[in-house]
Amino acid sequence: EIVLTQSPGTLSLSPGERATLSCRASQNVSSTYLVWYQQKPGQAPRLLIYGASTRATGIPDRFTGSGSGTEFTLTINRLEPEDFAVYYCQQYGRSPPKYIFGQGTKLEIK
Amino acid sequence: EVQLVESGGGLVQPGGSLRVSCAASGFTFSNYEMNWVRQAPGKGLEWISYISGYGPTIYYADSVKGRFTISRDNAKKSLDLQMDSLRAEDTAVYYCVRVAANLFNYFDYWGQGALVTVSS
Repeated sequence: EIVLTQSPGTLSLSPGERATLSCRASQNVSSTYLVWYQQKPGQAPRLLIYGASTRATGIPDRFTGSGSGTEFTLTINRLEPEDFAVYYCQQYGRSPPKYIFGQGTKLEIK
Repeated sequence: EVQLVESGGGLVQPGGSLRVSCAASGFTFSNYEMNWVRQAPGKGLEWISYISGYGPTIYYADSVKGRFTISRDNAKKSLDLQMDSLRAEDTAVYYCVRVAANLFNYFDYWGQGALVTVSS
């Protein structure tokens, strides 16, 4: 069974800095099904990136997804105050069909 | 505008039952696969159940298999989750989520969530 491990657990940065969030899979996974979500307190998650690197509609270009195989990265350039949130990676697994989430990375203001 | 609105959350005793529902609008409901995802207080996201567009295909996470039942009524544009034999660890916000109609299998729309609390 695929396990997604996100690191770091918490990342403390200042506005204007660059954030690099990691999502590591326990085995090779398809980039097609690697997704990133953002969640702010009291809100439902919001789709950021799908297919490992395609930004969802309305997502600013300071958000970049990359990676393949077992290593995936979400990079946020020039952090804005509204970017401080929890970020989850997700993978769709076929055998058996299920949706797997990483445990999340909290991006907090330093 | 796509909208998913959950209802039916509340407080229930361990061993009890509860049904949460999701009313969909703004899209052709029957064309979309749907899921339930939950989030325990202060914890991460957990997928719990999937249903195909016309309902013949259903999957559950091991944590709820045999206790929860997902169903849909395409005429009423509604998605339901019947939860039986509830445990304290089922306490969570339950989100109704839509699967994007493409090859990428991601959740493109989420409801606002319904809080279910299992406690005596």
